[in-house]
Amino acid sequence: QTVVTQEPSFSVSPGGTVTLTCGLSSGSVSTSYYPSWYQQTPGQAPRTLIYNTNTRSSGVPDRFSGSILGNKAALTITGAQADDESDYYCMLYMASGPGVFGTGTKVTVL
Amino acid sequence: EVQVLESGGGLVQPGGSLRLSCAASGFTFNSYAMSWVRQAPGRGLEWVSAISASGDSTYYADSVRGRFTISRDNSKNTVSLQMKSLRAEDTAVYFCAKVRSGYNSGYDYWGQGTLVTVSS
Repeated sequence: QTVVTQEPSFSVSPGGTVTLTCGLSSGSVSTSYYPSWYQQTPGQAPRTLIYNTNTRSSGVPDRFSGSILGNKAALTITGAQADDESDYYCMLYMASGPGVFGTGTKVTVL
Repeated sequence: EVQVLESGGGLVQPGGSLRLSCAASGFTFNSYAMSWVRQAPGRGLEWVSAISASGDSTYYADSVRGRFTISRDNSKNTVSLQMKSLRAEDTAVYFCAKVRSGYNSGYDYWGQGTLVTVSS
């Protein structure tokens, strides 16, 4: 069974840049997986940030950007702010199901 | 304004059943697929099930296939998740989410979730 992998945690300074990645336990992520990214703070519903690799959802600040880096999908936060401290999940469109979530990355801003 | 609102969560014994409902408004409901996503306490998001706009096609995660049934009523703008043979590992907050367009476009709107606790 293919697992969608993410870094467990990242720390970034206010105003800094951080890149989260989303990979496969077997194989490479490409645009054909239509990666999307979701932000979630404790006790809240997820918020959609990015879909179709690099399209920002309505209302999402342009400091969030999506891309493919090497064999992984990536979410870059440029100019991190305190309220970016959240859990971030990628999701890939796969034959095994309409959406398979990654393991999630906890981002700390300090 | 798009709204998605789940209901029906609660405490149920192992082996029991529960039916979750999701009421949607603010968009043409019968034009969009819908999904259920869950999150166990302290864990990540897990896709559970999806249903096409017409209701003709349904999809399930391996962990729930054969125990959960998704359905929708386009006349009432609701989607339901019938859960049977519940296990402790089904304990989670269950979110209802609207599919943006095709399944490959992810979700654009989420409900606040409803908590299901499976325990004796």
